[in-house]
Amino acid sequence: SAVISQKPSRDICQRGTSLTIQCQVDSQVTMMFWYRQQPGQSLTLIATANQGSEATYESGFVIDKFPISRPNLTFSTLTVSNMSPEDSSIYLCSVENQAFFGQGTRLTVV
Amino acid sequence: AQSVTQLDSQVPVFEEAPVELRCNYSSSVSVYLFWYVQYPNQGLQLLLKYLSGSTLVKGINGFEAEFNKSQTSFHLRKPSVHISDTAEYFCAVSDQAQAAGNKLTFGGGTRVLVKP
Repeated sequence: SAVISQKPSRDICQRGTSLTIQCQVDSQVTMMFWYRQQPGQSLTLIATANQGSEATYESGFVIDKFPISRPNLTFSTLTVSNMSPEDSSIYLCSVENQAFFGQGTRLTVV
Repeated sequence: AQSVTQLDSQVPVFEEAPVELRCNYSSSVSVYLFWYVQYPNQGLQLLLKYLSGSTLVKGINGFEAEFNKSQTSFHLRKPSVHISDTAEYFCAVSDQAQAAGNKLTFGGGTRVLVKP
């Protein structure tokens, strides 16, 4: 199974700023997925990141708020833009065909 | 589109007692099924998955789950729990038009508290 690494593991950010989260996988994959887990809640899919094309966003998530990059087959970034306390969550990535997740990025916005 | 319902938000259980966590799903297409565990302040760990074949699936840490297509259920069981099983458990599905594990839909989670 693929090994998925996320950076940073946690961060505390000021409202109005942006944070970029990195996801690195140890094998080449076409699709990577970004999820959000709000405090005390379950996971919700934010978007699917395909290498070579624009990310596909789920209902309720928009590119301006969560821009995604996918520069190659082993790496993706998710940016949380213009943050507010409501963005405090754990953000997780996973990859195609694996059903495994990175350890997540715990974001607190103050 | 799919939906997943975990019928119990919290399950208290005594150490060495059995536990069952209930999961029902709704989907217009065939699905793959997964159970995950999340220990406090940690990420998600895959416990087991059903892709095809035998409806009884065995996973890590002594857990097993049974897929029941007619009842659209995938209940998780463990015959004897330990204190270390205290965690949040999530049931998830992905549709078979995707590869297994792609674009997962999660249930709301069940918090298991094991008491000594």
